[in-house]
Formats: sequence, structure tokens, C-alpha cells
Amino acid sequence: KQEVTQIPAALSVPEGENLVLNCSFTDSAIYNLQWFRQDPGKGLTSLLLIQSSQREQTSGRLNASLDKSSGRSTLYIAASQPGDSATYLCAVRGSSGDKLTFGTGTRLAVRP
Amino acid sequence: NAGVTQTPKFRVLKTGQSMTLLCAQDMNHEYMYWYRQDPGMGLRLIHYSVGEGTTAKGEVPDGYNVSRLKKQNFLLGLESAAPSQTSVYFCASSYSRGPYGYTFGSGTRLTVV
Repeated sequence: KQEVTQIPAALSVPEGENLVLNCSFTDSAIYNLQWFRQDPGKGLTSLLLIQSSQREQTSGRLNASLDKSSGRSTLYIAASQPGDSATYLCAVRGSSGDKLTFGTGTRLAVRP
Repeated sequence: NAGVTQTPKFRVLKTGQSMTLLCAQDMNHEYMYWYRQDPGMGLRLIHYSVGEGTTAKGEVPDGYNVSRLKKQNFLLGLESAAPSQTSVYFCASSYSRGPYGYTFGSGTRLTVV
């Protein structure tokens, strides 16, 4: 059974800091890994999708890396802003392709 | 706008009442999913469907039923609501197995009293 862990569970940083969120998974047989953002009381917004054959994806100030063999992914946020405050979730799609397994998220607070 | 639409957005039920949550997508996705999100538990898969007329159990299926009579719609039913089913429910959809991402709806907040 795939298990996804996100560390840290919560993070508070001053504005402007570069930061790294971590995601690990137990079964390396995956199709892809997806990072989501969730604002309080809202739905999930997809940030980045990394295929199993890729090493990283970039979108603006966000960069996600994937090391499938070690079961790890990181989300790098450059020059953090208060508007980045949210919960960040990673999810892996198993090689069977049917299901997405989520981590419990990292709650990020960026202080002005 | 193309996407996943969930109705209703909020609902309060009394214990023992029944209700149906509707999920509709207009992206011609084959796969559809129902998740519940609870504090400290993350998102857990309730049921899913890999095509019209098919359904399968996820991680926490007890107390729920689903139907996929049309490709674009996926219904989640609670036959006899219990307080333990108080949660936020999310629907998602995707193209068939392969290198595709998921699109999520905005959620239904359900309270069972």
C-alpha cells in the first residue's frame, strides 16, 4: 500500500525567504506526482505535475523535483510572499494508474 | 469554464437522513473520484469510477454508495447519515490511466448532527 509523508507538517517563515517542502512515498512504482495548493475552506489547485520519467518541473517561483528511486520529491518556493500562505499537498499516482494517494500536507505561513 | 462542479456546496443533515452529492465534469474525463478530507487525516479515497457504468471501492467506502450512469456525472450517496460522515467531500476527475493529472472540484462541506 502506497504511503505518502510530508515534512514538515507546518512551517512559518518571513517574507522573502526561499523554502523547501518535502514529500516522500513508499512505493516507487508511480506514473506521476502532483503538487497542490489548498487555501483555507477552498478546493485543491494543481501547481505542478511531474511525470515518472522527469526530474523536475518549474512554474514561476515554484520548482518541483522528483527522485523516484529514493521515493522523494521537493517543492522549492523562491522569494516567498504572504500570498503563498496555504497548505501544500503532494499526491502520487500509482503505476496501476487508477488512484491518487495524498500526503497530509504542509501548512505554510509567510509573515510580512 | 471547463472543470469539475460539485453541488451542493454546503449541507447540514440530521442523523439517519439521506442525501446525494453530485459531481459533474465537462472535460470528457474517463476517471472520476470521491474523496473526503478530515483534519489530521488528509484526503482519503471513498469510491472511484474508471468509466461510465463502473464503480470501485476506495480506502473508506463504508456508509457510501456511488453511481456513474453518465460519463460526465458521478453521484455519491449517503443512505443513513452518521456524525462520523461530517467532512469535506471533494470530487476529482482525470483522463484514463497514464501520465495525466487530476482536476478537483471546490468541495462540499457536510455536517451531520
